[in-house]
Amino acid sequence: AQKVTQAQTEISVVEKEDVTLDCVYETRDTTYYLFWYKQPPSGELVFLIRRNSFDEQNEISGRYSWNFQKSTSSFNFTITASQVVDSAVYFCALVYNQGGKLIFGQGTELSVKP
Amino acid sequence: GAVVSQHPSWVICKSGTSVKIECRSLDFQATTMFWYRQFPKQSLMLMATSNEGSKATYEQGVEKDKFLINHASLTLSTLTVTSAHPEDSSFYICSARYDRPSHGYTFGSGTRLTVV
Repeated sequence: AQKVTQAQTEISVVEKEDVTLDCVYETRDTTYYLFWYKQPPSGELVFLIRRNSFDEQNEISGRYSWNFQKSTSSFNFTITASQVVDSAVYFCALVYNQGGKLIFGQGTELSVKP
Repeated sequence: GAVVSQHPSWVICKSGTSVKIECRSLDFQATTMFWYRQFPKQSLMLMATSNEGSKATYEQGVEKDKFLINHASLTLSTLTVTSAHPEDSSFYICSARYDRPSHGYTFGSGTRLTVV
């Protein structure tokens, strides 16, 4: 079965704290892509990152970093020194064949308080 | 690049009427579009996949006669909610797959439908 699990439904932190959002996926395919999207209150989905299954390098983009570990089928997302503007729902997603449909996790609602 | 424009952003309609939502790919050709539905505090649920020039493929449990999808051109896909009822009130969002510069998905800004 193809599945994405984001076990953390809601996370609340204080500004400047670091926070990690967990994502665990299931797929039988050897070729797949993983994504993270941000959904602010406006509802629009904002693309954050895409990673293919053959690229296990971790990535850093400013305050954002991603840890992809095939051994544990995880693709976790860390925000360093969180800011109020980071408050949103974050979705992890999987597509297991090119052109196929995105399978979304349940989402994690992050609340960053000043 | 790879922008999808979705309209309207919100709509209120009376029960029993039909509502059409449009998604246009502005700077690329979208051979495949996906339509999602999202209830408050929930994830995106795929309703259907549409390919230009062919019938849409609906997910299990989605009524094809109620949610009509048309993908008549490479830049336009529409979702029509027919005979809308209050339980159809939701956030609808489209997505298009693009191939350049790299394989990915872009999303419309969503349509908030309220049926009264």
